[in-house]
Amino acid sequence: DAGITQSPRYKITETGRQVTLMCHQTWSHSYMFWYRQDLGHGLRLIYYSAAADITDKGEVPDGYVVSRSKTENFPLTLESATRSQTSVYFCASSWTTQETQYFGPGTRLLVL
Amino acid sequence: KQEVTQIPAALSVPEGENLVLNCSFTDSAIYNLQWFRQDPGKGLTSLLLIQSSQREQTSGRLNASLDKSSGRSTLYIAASQPGDSATYLCAVRPLGYGGSQGNLIFGKGTKLSVKP
Repeated sequence: DAGITQSPRYKITETGRQVTLMCHQTWSHSYMFWYRQDLGHGLRLIYYSAAADITDKGEVPDGYVVSRSKTENFPLTLESATRSQTSVYFCASSWTTQETQYFGPGTRLLVL
Repeated sequence: KQEVTQIPAALSVPEGENLVLNCSFTDSAIYNLQWFRQDPGKGLTSLLLIQSSQREQTSGRLNASLDKSSGRSTLYIAASQPGDSATYLCAVRPLGYGGSQGNLIFGKGTKLSVKP
């Protein structure tokens, strides 16, 4: 009955390193989303996925890569982390685009 | 481009007061509008979802209205309690901008503090 989980919850890394943030949902929702939340910008969509092996860019995709080989997992990879990617990252999922999105607890990422 | 604005950015009220949070959006072409609650250091919790064909939704002490033509929504909280203290976020799912895939455009939120 975990719902949607994210790991790690906190991460400190250095500029240039690759980082992967994990997202797992237990509902078998078709749709999954990655957002970042920054002071002054609010939440912005990075990538979304309509089903396994179907992904598309959101508003701020540069520097990020996603994959979705299984319905329940939607990892987000920062290929070469930059300080501007310091943020709180939220994963969300929903059954359909008409229904509400359920959010995970977030991952706080600090890039030094 | 769709933009969502929430005013005020912060609000402090005494316990028991009825209050209204405001949300405005620039493009009336939306599928739906959602209100979320976010507690410090936590994720978002969905409160109410209003489809574009609806005028309002109610859940307990919460009532959300939608006036699509004027680009406005309000969240009414009755008999506020200290436990209502949180940041309230409004989000629209636009007909464009990936909205057909479920993309949400968020406002920056209103931080509510209810004093005992």
